[in-house]
Amino acid sequence: GAGVSQTPSNKVTEKGKYVELRCDPISGHTALYWYRQSLGQGPEFLIYFQGTGAADDSGLPNDRFFAVRPEGSVSTLKIQRTERGDSAVYLCASSWARTLSYNEQFFGPGTRLTVL
Amino acid sequence: ELKVEQNPLFLSMQEGKNYTIYCNYSTTSDRLYWYRQDPGKSLESLFVLLSNGAVKQEGRLMASLDTKARLSTLHITAAVHDLSATYFCAVDTNDYKLSFGAGTTVTVRA
Repeated sequence: GAGVSQTPSNKVTEKGKYVELRCDPISGHTALYWYRQSLGQGPEFLIYFQGTGAADDSGLPNDRFFAVRPEGSVSTLKIQRTERGDSAVYLCASSWARTLSYNEQFFGPGTRLTVL
Repeated sequence: ELKVEQNPLFLSMQEGKNYTIYCNYSTTSDRLYWYRQDPGKSLESLFVLLSNGAVKQEGRLMASLDTKARLSTLHITAAVHDLSATYFCAVDTNDYKLSFGAGTTVTVRA
C-alpha cells in the first residue's frame, strides 16, 4: 500500500517569503505528526494532530509556523516570513489511533526547505 | 525535559565484526523505537520495544530495552556493507511525541 507522501520534495525560497508544505498520510491513520530535521541531527517534534485538531503544537518554534488538517487526512505546514534558520528537512509521519498500546510512526520522504 | 543520548555518534565498522550502539534516556518510558535512515532518505522503522527486557531481532540486528537502566542497545552481528546508514533511537513518553537521539552514523568497510 502507499506510504506517507510529501510534496514538494525540495523547496527553495527567498527570505521573507511564504511557503506551504503538504503531507498525505497513510490511509486510515488518524494521527499525523510534523518533525523538523536539521543537518546532522535527529528529527525534532513540531506538532501532532489527532483527527482534524492539533492536539499538541508545543514544538512549533514561533507564530510564523502554522499547520492545518481540515478534513482529518491531508495536512499542510505553513511558514510565513521565512528565515534562513528555517532551512531544514520537514518530515511528516502518521500512525494508527492513539488508543493502541504503542505508537509506531511511519515517516514520509520529507521536504527539503532551503531559504536563501 | 527528556534527553536521549546515543553513542557513539560515528561508528566505522569492519565487515564481519560485531558492534553495539547505545541509547540512554533521562525519563521513565517503556516504549522505544529504532529507525534507520539512508542518506537523503526518510526514516525506516526497524524495531518497536514495548516493555522492560524486550528483545527483537531482524537479520544481523538485535535491539533490547532495559527500562530500569533507561538504556536500549542495538547490536550488529557480522557487519556487512549494506548496513551502512544512520541509526536513530526514539523514546515515547506520552503516547505520541517521539524524542530522538542525534543518530549514529555507521560506515562498514571491507
